[in-house]
Amino acid sequence: EPEVTQTPSHQVTQMGQEVILRCVPISNHLYFYWYRQILGQKVEFLVSFYNNEISEKSEIFDDQFSVERPDGSNFTLKIRSTKLEDSAMYFCASSTATGGLFFGPGTRLTVL
Amino acid sequence: AQSVTQLDSQVPVFEEAPVELRCNYSSSVSVYLFWYVQYPNQGLQLLLKYLSGSTLVESINGFEAEFNKSQTSFHLRKPSVHISDTAEYFCAVSKGSGNTPLVFGKGTRLSVIA
Repeated sequence: EPEVTQTPSHQVTQMGQEVILRCVPISNHLYFYWYRQILGQKVEFLVSFYNNEISEKSEIFDDQFSVERPDGSNFTLKIRSTKLEDSAMYFCASSTATGGLFFGPGTRLTVL
Repeated sequence: AQSVTQLDSQVPVFEEAPVELRCNYSSSVSVYLFWYVQYPNQGLQLLLKYLSGSTLVESINGFEAEFNKSQTSFHLRKPSVHISDTAEYFCAVSKGSGNTPLVFGKGTRLSVIA
């Protein structure tokens, strides 16, 4: 069964450093997303991506964040200068046009 | 804007007992509704979804949820739970299909006791 994959599973970084979280969506999906879950809190939408551009973004997704689909398979989330409050589990997801997102296993980002 | 309320943060239940996890939503437009399950140290898995048609939807592992438009609810039920059902359950809503973000509830932790 096809699945969304994410690397790395755990990323530890120093405050102020740049990080890139990587995702490989399901191959025939056209819509891509990033969500995050701060420990003990709800899952929050960050950004959606379709046809090589951002479709929608939340207020969390400020200028420190960017997304890219550098080739036909990868979908990346970059945080330019990490802050302590960026520590969270980051989930990538993909979907077709008919609803129901399929999530990856997540990347746990720890900012020290 | 949509919002989702899961009133119960934790639900303990004995094995083989029935369970209901409550979910209410608010929206000014028609919505699509979803339940996701998160097992310990894992990602989110789609459990079931309501897009249209029959208001009762079922999953392959015995869960079911019923869309009730008048009560704006989408409660999740299972007649007999197993230890392996222990997980966090998230209700989510979107206002459309495809490229429409999901809004999640805070989650309900289901603990099945032997």
